[in-house]
Amino acid sequence: GQQLNQSPQSMFIQEGEDVSMNCTSSSIFNTWLWYKQDPGEGPVLLIALYKAGELTSNGRLTAQFGITRKDSFLNISASIPSDVGIYFCAGGNNDMRFGAGTRLTVKP
Amino acid sequence: EAGVAQSPRYKIIEKRQSVAFWCNPISGHATLYWYQQILGQGPKLLIQFQNNGVVDDSQLPKDRFSAERLKGVDSTLKIQPAKLEDSAVYLCASSTRQQNTGELFFGEGSRLTVL
Repeated sequence: GQQLNQSPQSMFIQEGEDVSMNCTSSSIFNTWLWYKQDPGEGPVLLIALYKAGELTSNGRLTAQFGITRKDSFLNISASIPSDVGIYFCAGGNNDMRFGAGTRLTVKP
Repeated sequence: EAGVAQSPRYKIIEKRQSVAFWCNPISGHATLYWYQQILGQGPKLLIQFQNNGVVDDSQLPKDRFSAERLKGVDSTLKIQPAKLEDSAVYLCASSTRQQNTGELFFGEGSRLTVL
């Protein structure tokens, strides 16, 4: 089946720093999405991408659909303590798969 | 707008016992999903319903897991008999889209511990 590799596995940053994480696939995808999950909650959709090369922002978050259609990137600018959580990429072609997540810790 | 409702939030059982989880999707959402999330991993799709029909159950361990959505609204996921490796959070999600494009609204999940 499709393999999603998400990195890094975890990040420890200082408040105010920028963050980058990425996801790669062994197959070409039509859709890439990024979710955030807080403890004890279900994942919440942050950004959805549908075209190769697409760059989409949601506040301080920016995600890109890689031109090879096998990868996607999520950037968070000027991190704040409430950015803490686990970020998941999801991708596929009508059969979404989730990455293993990037656990983000922000130190005030 | 009310979100996806799931119950129970927590359940502890012994192996070989049975358990059932309930989900009520967002009103008007035709598509309902059950995901299994093992600690430290991303959600893994178990089954997808479109109204009361099954769209994808290829990853559902059918020897012990079953799910139904009889009236096309709420759904039940059952595990019988449970194994230790079934310990996980079971997430229900719903969507207005017919195809699994990943734009899902998740419930808070039901955390299962099998002893």
